[in-house]
Amino acid sequence: KNEVEQSPQNLTAQEGEFITINCSYSVGISALHWLQQHPGGGIVSLFMLSSGKKKHGRLIATINIQEKHSSLHITASHPRDSAVYICAVRFIIQGAQKLVFGQGTRLTINP
Amino acid sequence: DTGVSQNPRHKITKRGQNVTFRCDPISEHNRLYWYRQTLGQGPEFLTYFQNEAQLEKSRLLSDRFSAERPKGSFSTLEIQRTEQGDSAMYLCASSRYASADTQYFGPGTRLTVL
Repeated sequence: KNEVEQSPQNLTAQEGEFITINCSYSVGISALHWLQQHPGGGIVSLFMLSSGKKKHGRLIATINIQEKHSSLHITASHPRDSAVYICAVRFIIQGAQKLVFGQGTRLTINP
Repeated sequence: DTGVSQNPRHKITKRGQNVTFRCDPISEHNRLYWYRQTLGQGPEFLTYFQNEAQLEKSRLLSDRFSAERPKGSFSTLEIQRTEQGDSAMYLCASSRYASADTQYFGPGTRLTVL
């Protein structure tokens, strides 16, 4: 079983729809990242959070430490939001910090 | 543009050849990471540096792979005797001293081994 699981793997929606991408993990973590990867490969960090909720523009990220679950929401989605969204968790193993990535969720927003 | 640059952006090579990639991190960042990403998967950790010291190497990094960061600034990743299975996107990221800091990713180098 992967340490980080994302769902769905692919998501297609119409412009304006509310989008939710989920991330579940199996180990205790120190932080969780949401990343956005555009078709050219460039990765941009959207959020780093260890508890609660963060908001930036139309993006909202939440995390529930007890349930080992995080969600990324996009309100009023737009075709430019089309990208792969990757969840990554940071945890400590044998005294070293590790960053483990999910497989990504490919989001396509149609006009 | 995150401030992390990688060169080349694309590399096509024949099996058995050696290739070298370069990463220039954000100048004040002490930590530099290399990741590999295959199609449809998230990035996988390869190795990281704190200044010029290579502190950790993944088991994914076979002895055909070597990375350096000689002056604690730019880094190079060399793959010797490339194999078709090495075809992937190679990503570099940098962060400030604290390991919990956000990592800033470069655009990646896409390697195709024929």
